Amino acid sequence: DAGVIQSPRHEVTEMGQEVTLRCKPISGHNSLFWYRQTMMRGLELLIYFNNNVPIDDSGMPEDRFSAKMPNASFSTLKIQPSEPRDSAVYFCASSLEYGQGAHEQYFGPGTRLTVT
Amino acid sequence: LAKTTQPISMDSYEGQEVNITCSHNNIATNDYITWYQQFPSQGPRFIIQGYKTKVTNEVASLFIPADRKSSTLSLPRVSLSDTAVYYCLVWSNFGNEKLTFGTGTRLTIIP
Repeated sequence: DAGVIQSPRHEVTEMGQEVTLRCKPISGHNSLFWYRQTMMRGLELLIYFNNNVPIDDSGMPEDRFSAKMPNASFSTLKIQPSEPRDSAVYFCASSLEYGQGAHEQYFGPGTRLTVT
Repeated sequence: LAKTTQPISMDSYEGQEVNITCSHNNIATNDYITWYQQFPSQGPRFIIQGYKTKVTNEVASLFIPADRKSSTLSLPRVSLSDTAVYYCLVWSNFGNEKLTFGTGTRLTIIP
């Protein structure tokens, strides 16, 4: 298995631009998670999906952030407009169905976002 | 959600056994204890999970006393490649509870 795939691996953009991060979970996994990691705040859960349905988006910092999961094999995290404080590493993770003992999450390599 | 407390950093020499202790005084009956490892520039990786007593796999052992208010991750004979951040998490087996990563323990292995 290729594991969780994220693209792009690095993104540099200017303030005000739209940024779209992509994730392909492991085949057969029903839960997908988006995290953000910074030195100051550590690893934060932004949103997670069960069977393509958003379950909890309380970690999404503000309305500029949105996430979709149109099917079981693809998810996007969009930031519009981007700001310098959004600079971070964004991780996508997947697992077997959450809430039923699915303790093991498989993380992707992350997307390093820099907003100038 | 039970809060966890673990040392910010630890150093150890190669070949030694390393024990990282995590406190979770408010752990609930349904909670499991899970440890993740994160190398620089990579996402976290699951290491081990347990509920009580002892769990062992090919990577580590997890010791949980009877009161479950703490746990100890044991890494046998560490090498330089074990340098990483180790996260202790407490997570319920029921409901849609979020997995919350704390600051973790930064383990540095010295040659």
